[in-house]
This record gives sequence, structure tokens and C-alpha cells, in this order.
Amino acid sequence: GAVVSQHPSWVICKSGTSVKIECRSLDFQATTMFWYRQFPKQSLMLMATSNEGSKATYEQGVEKDKFLINHASLTLSTLTVTSAHPEDSSFYICSAWDRGKSGEQYFGPGTRLTVT
Amino acid sequence: GQQLNQSPQSMFIQEGEDVSMNCTSSSIFNTWLWYKQDPGEGPVLLIALYKAGELTSNGRLTAQFGITRKDSFLNISASIPSDVGIYFCAGRDDKIIFGKGTRLHILP
Repeated sequence: GAVVSQHPSWVICKSGTSVKIECRSLDFQATTMFWYRQFPKQSLMLMATSNEGSKATYEQGVEKDKFLINHASLTLSTLTVTSAHPEDSSFYICSAWDRGKSGEQYFGPGTRLTVT
Repeated sequence: GQQLNQSPQSMFIQEGEDVSMNCTSSSIFNTWLWYKQDPGEGPVLLIALYKAGELTSNGRLTAQFGITRKDSFLNISASIPSDVGIYFCAGRDDKIIFGKGTRLHILP
């Protein structure tokens, strides 16, 4: 089946620094990717929709200047958490929409971010 | 915004028992999805439902898309230890919205 990868799988950073997380669709092209955040024992909350070649669409309450999204190619979207703070510590999960073959969305394995 | 209410929040069952969980929405979705998430991993799609009234099975799992398009249920028959995890319902239009999840525990 379709595979979506994320890198890194976990990262620890200091407060005030920026962290970039990559999401790749490995065997299909994805014009649309999504970024979710999941706090412990909670559900996945959609942060933004990433569209290849255009600006991302952010959900209400998500700061676009803090969570920078770049979807520069059909197989790669990146999420940069800028000036990270401990409250940004979370599990970040991306998904990629295979509009071509299966029509389904596939989720990555997630990235655990810990801000100290 | 759209909200999904998933119940129960958690279940404690004996191995071999059947499990049922459901999801309701304040609005209509074109597609209902059921996912399982193991700790530290991304969600994995179990069943996708595309038409109101549709009943779909995947092994021991059965799910239905409600006639009103505002609800769905998932049944797991004859539970086994590897069924432990968190199950999420999700509704999809141009994006996927998740329910709060049902934690399934199997008692030894």
C-alpha cells in the first residue's frame, strides 16, 4: 500500500529554537497534504492543509507565522515550528492524499517533538 | 465547526468478546472512516465507507455508514489481544475530522 514517511521520528529542541519536520509520500504524488497535532491521550487535531505550489490553509486558532508550512514538491511537505516553546511539545502527524490511484489519505508515523 | 462525538471513551473487555463503538456528527459527511492507532504511531485505516447505509466488513471488523450520513458504528467480533489500541472514527469532506477516540483494553 501507499506509504508516507516523516522525518525525524522524534526530536528534542531547546526553547526558542526552530524545528523542521518533513513529510514525504513515497510511492505517489500528493498535491494535498495535511498536518495534525496530537497531545497525550487526545485526538488528532487538524492544523493546516498544505497545497503544492500555493499557500497552506490553516485551521482556526493555529498561528500561521509560528507553524510554517512549505509544500514545494508533489512528494514533500515541511512543517517548521518556529521559536518553539514547551507547550508546542506534541506528536505531529502528516497525511498525504493520493487523489490519483486510490483516492485515499495515508498517514505518516508521526514525529514526537519535545521542547525543553 | 464540525464535531464528532465518539463513544464509549474506553472499554474493558474479555478476550473473545464482541466490541461495538459509534460516532455521531453535528453535520453530514460524504465519507466515514475508521482508524486504529497504536502508541507512538500514526493512525492506520481500517474501513472506509462511501455511501449512506453502506455496511462494510474487513475480517472481524464491520462498520456501517448511517442513513442520515451523520453517524457510523464499528463492530469488532471475537476480540483478540492485538485489538488493543485506540480506535478513531473520522468524517471526510475536503479534509478529515477525527472523533475523540475509543480506548480498547482487553483483560487477561
